This record gives sequence, C-alpha cells and structure tokens, in this order.
Amino acid sequence: ETGVTQSPTHLIKTRGQQVTLRCSSQSGHNTVSWYQQALGQGPQFIFQYYREEENGRGNFPPRFSGLQFPNYSSELNVNALELDDSALYLCASSPTGGFTEAFFGQGTRLTVV
Amino acid sequence: RKEVEQDPGPFNVPEGATVAFNCTYSNSASQSFFWYRQDCRKEPKLLMSVYSSGNEDGRFTAQLNRASQYISLLIRDSKLSDSATYLCVVIRRGTYKYIFGTGTRLKVLA
Repeated sequence: ETGVTQSPTHLIKTRGQQVTLRCSSQSGHNTVSWYQQALGQGPQFIFQYYREEENGRGNFPPRFSGLQFPNYSSELNVNALELDDSALYLCASSPTGGFTEAFFGQGTRLTVV
Repeated sequence: RKEVEQDPGPFNVPEGATVAFNCTYSNSASQSFFWYRQDCRKEPKLLMSVYSSGNEDGRFTAQLNRASQYISLLIRDSKLSDSATYLCVVIRRGTYKYIFGTGTRLKVLA
C-alpha cells in the first residue's frame, strides 16, 4: 500500500453539477498532483500543489480547481460537470518537489450522466 | 504528435517468454524517466526508475537512450502475473508534471 488514500472511490453525478474529490497524501510527502485518466488512455496531468500553492497546471479549464491543506491533503473540485469529465481521477503524492517517484492513490471513478 | 509515445499493443506472449517495450519521447529537455505498471481499473504503481546507465530489478531491465530519445523495458521469463498495462513516464526539466504514454498492454498466456 502506498499510504495515499482517495475518497470517494466511485461517484455518479449529473451534467452541470459540481464535485469535490479528496486525497490524503503519504506521510512525509508535501507535494500532491492530480491526474485524469480516460478509458484506454494514460493519465493526464491536471495540476500539482506544493506546500499549499499551485505549482503547475496542465491543459484543463478553470472549472477544474484545487486546494492543498496544511496537513498536505488535497481536494480537486470540478464545476459544471460535462459528460467528458467521466474518468478515473488519480491523486499522487511525492516528496519535496516532483522529480522523484510519485505514489498514487486508488483513484476516484467519476461517471457523469 | 504526442510527447510520449508507446505501442498500445496488446502484446500476447507465452509464459517464460522475454518481451520488450519501447517508449519514445519528443522533448530533449526530459530529465526523469519511470516505468509504472497498471492493472485493470487500478492505480498505476511504480515499477522502476530509469537511469542513463540502465538498471535491473530481478527479471526487469530498463534502459535509457538519450541520443535517440527512447526508454525501454525488458521482461524476462514472463509470468502470468506480469499481465498488465505498462506506462512510460517522463518528467520534463523545469516542470514537475508526469507525462504519461498511453501504455502498452501485456497479456502473458499459460
């Protein structure tokens, strides 16, 4: 086990709704990254947080936002859900910075109907 | 063209076979490289980091060729439990984001 936990594991939402996904990072890790993985694709980088600040962002619209808390846990918020947002959302934690190995949580499978 | 490319497979091989996967990357500023394994509907798990000198972990060998901008993964004596998708990951210098390939699916047959 990596020590990275995500909740919930599965979620069904209606188009236009908002969703919050949560992640607890591994002990000692202060960097959290979020990824979206569509079926049959590799994970795509959404953004990264380091010590509560956004530290880089991928090609996702502003309706994807996040937070990191003082205990280094993190949230991913998605507003105005679209059908194409249906995917596995993965959280990864790593030690300082991000050039080292990252450890993934089990993911949240989001279905938008 | 994608920044990290892999042959999606599937590669169907018999138990005991040796199989090799390649992954090419387009950005010469890439500085860190990894192979991850992902089982169906599960999270990616780190298999091994890839170093310029090459590295081996049991039946698995990873190589990096910076001149040709590719990394490889060799699996010897394949086991049924090796069946999974193998994801190539690259980190570009000056950024922190993992750039994943689409993955190569391996199926080891009894």
